[in-house]
Amino acid sequence: AQKITQTQPGMFVQEKEAVTLDCTYDTSDPSYGLFWYKQPSSGEMIFLIYQGSYDQQNATEGRYSLNFQKARKSANLVISASQLGDSAMYFCAMRPILTGGGNKLTFGTGTQLKVEL
Amino acid sequence: DAGVTQSPTHLIKTRGQQVTLRCSPKSGHDTVSWYQQALGQGPQFIFQYYEEEERQRGNFPDRFSGHQFPNYSSELNVNALLLGDSALYLCASSPGGANTGELFFGEGSRLTVL
Repeated sequence: AQKITQTQPGMFVQEKEAVTLDCTYDTSDPSYGLFWYKQPSSGEMIFLIYQGSYDQQNATEGRYSLNFQKARKSANLVISASQLGDSAMYFCAMRPILTGGGNKLTFGTGTQLKVEL
Repeated sequence: DAGVTQSPTHLIKTRGQQVTLRCSPKSGHDTVSWYQQALGQGPQFIFQYYEEEERQRGNFPDRFSGHQFPNYSSELNVNALLLGDSALYLCASSPGGANTGELFFGEGSRLTVL
C-alpha cells in the first residue's frame, strides 16, 4: 500500500518569493513515481512535475522544482518567484512503477496556497 | 492537440438514479482511469481501463462500473446514486505500458446528488 502525507493544510507566500510545499510518502514498492498537481477552484488537475524514484537528479520544470530526498521519503515542491496565479490547491501523488504501466495514483490531502501582494 | 476531455461538466441527479460520465483521452494515450474527489479531499482511484478491460480497481462498490471503447474513450456509470456520491469525477489518461510522468487529467464532471 502507498501513503502520501501533506502536513500543511494552508500556506501563504508573498508575491515573487519562493515557497516549499511539503510531501512525505510511504511505500513498499521498489520503484515508484512522484507527481505534483495544481488544482485551481475550477477543478481541473494540472500536471506540474514528475520524479521517478530511480532518477539521480531532482526534476525541474520552469519555476517548479522537486526536492527529492529518497532516504527521508520526501518529495517537496519548490515554487520560485511566486505569482498571484499560483494560488490554488496543490496535491502530491505517487504510483508504483509496474511492468505494463498503470495510472493508479495515491494522493495526499493537499495544501491550499495563497499568494499575497 | 486536445487534452483529456470530459462531459458533462456539471449535472444534478436524485437518489436512486443512474448517471453516465464520459471521457476522451489525450491523443496518443490508450489507458484511462477514473477518480472520485469529494469536497475538501484528494482524489480517490476508482478503476483503470486498458485494451477495453478493467485492469485495476480501487475500493469502490459494484455500483461503479465502466467501459472503454475501441477509440480508447471511456464511460463511468454509477447506479443507485447515494447522497455520498456527490463529488468531482476526474478522468486521467496515459500511454499504455509507460511508467513515466505522462499522466494528465481532464477538467472533471461535478455530480450533485439530491
